[in-house]
Amino acid sequence: DGGITQSPKYLFRKEGQNVTLSCEQNLNHDAMYWYRQDPGQGLRLIYYSQIVNDFQKGDIAEGYSVSREKKESFPLTVTSAQKNPTAFYLCASRVGQGWYNEQFFGPGTRLTVL
Amino acid sequence: GIQVEQSPPDLILQEGANSTLRCNFSDSVNNLQWFHQNPWGQLINLFYIPSGTKQNGRLSATTVATERYSLLYISSSQTTDSGVYFCAVVGSGGSNYKLTFGKGTLLTVNP
Repeated sequence: DGGITQSPKYLFRKEGQNVTLSCEQNLNHDAMYWYRQDPGQGLRLIYYSQIVNDFQKGDIAEGYSVSREKKESFPLTVTSAQKNPTAFYLCASRVGQGWYNEQFFGPGTRLTVL
Repeated sequence: GIQVEQSPPDLILQEGANSTLRCNFSDSVNNLQWFHQNPWGQLINLFYIPSGTKQNGRLSATTVATERYSLLYISSSQTTDSGVYFCAVVGSGGSNYKLTFGKGTLLTVNP
């Protein structure tokens, strides 16, 4: 089936540790995005990538890092520098070339820092 | 950047009732999407509707871009419609690379 997969579904981390969240898509979409959702809030953009080997900071990039070595993969690392990492993380990809085209989301990863 | 406001923040219905959710935005948009977030957190695409009217079963949406609002209509609501409904836009100005989300409407449909 075509779609966006994220793993793991749940992740627990001790303070001071880095952790990497996986996002894979087989939709042949060029652009991919990472969002963060806090309880009772909408989504905020962390990083985005339009093409392989290129990515840009979103609104809340501090304490996060990404890579885009393959078109289908866009992993997110939550570093120990992120002050409040406990949140729900959603990956998305965009159909077509236009900035304004429809975005689709993966099922998300819930990260809890102990 | 562009601002997105959704109303009402919470809505409780009896099964079978109809409802209207509203999304106001502060600037012109190139994209407007409605999503349903289910209890497991999955965002489900409902409509891609930067302008005009669309219908999909019991759901329909209308965007009046010139007046900067969009409406999502749910008819004959079912308990499975419960969840959070988000409106998100891509502005045509400086923030035209990203979706900006409203805070959502929490819908509860009781049997």
